[in-house]
Amino acid sequence: AQSVTQLGSHVSVSEGALVLLRCNYSSSVPPYLFWYVQYPNQGLQLLLKYTTGATLVKGINGFEAEFKKSETSFHLTKPSAHMSDAAEYFCAVSDATGNQFYFGTGTSLTVIP
Amino acid sequence: EAQVTQNPRYLITVTGKKLTVTCSQNMNHEYMSWYRQDPGLGLRQIYYSMNVEVTDKGDVPEGYKVSRKEKRNFPLILESPSPNQTSLYFCASRGSYNSPLHFGNGTRLTVT
Repeated sequence: AQSVTQLGSHVSVSEGALVLLRCNYSSSVPPYLFWYVQYPNQGLQLLLKYTTGATLVKGINGFEAEFKKSETSFHLTKPSAHMSDAAEYFCAVSDATGNQFYFGTGTSLTVIP
Repeated sequence: EAQVTQNPRYLITVTGKKLTVTCSQNMNHEYMSWYRQDPGLGLRQIYYSMNVEVTDKGDVPEGYKVSRKEKRNFPLILESPSPNQTSLYFCASRGSYNSPLHFGNGTRLTVT
């Protein structure tokens, strides 16, 4: 079974500062990678995904992530945090069949005015 | 509008009383799955279904049942709920094998 590790269950940044949320996965084969965002009392929404091709992936709301196979990482970044970015973020990986999904434990992002 | 619909949103029940959480999607997706979300544990997959009448266990299937008699519906059944099944449950579906999941808005279940 694969596993996903998100370092830092809580991250605080000032408005306008860089957002960096870390995600590492365990897999010997490049899987499919995803970042989801969850706002209070809502389901998860896709921010971005990596399947194949370009390792720098751009998503919605100015977020992007870079797939680094050598580091088994898929960190999420945004150059300038906005108040509306405050939410919980989940990194996820699926196996090659796309049937089994594994999620990290989540990172709660707080944006300080 | 493409969506995954779960019902109910909130459910409080007592130990041992059978319950069903419904899930329906209108995207003609073959794949559907159930997850539970617990603080500090993230989301864990309970069951998934690759098509009608085809289901398989995820990471935490104990105490749960599912059925897939129609493509659009994938109910989650707790035949004898216990307090350790108190959790936030999500249903999701996806299109092709490398597509992302589309999630419902969740069902918050409390078992006393």
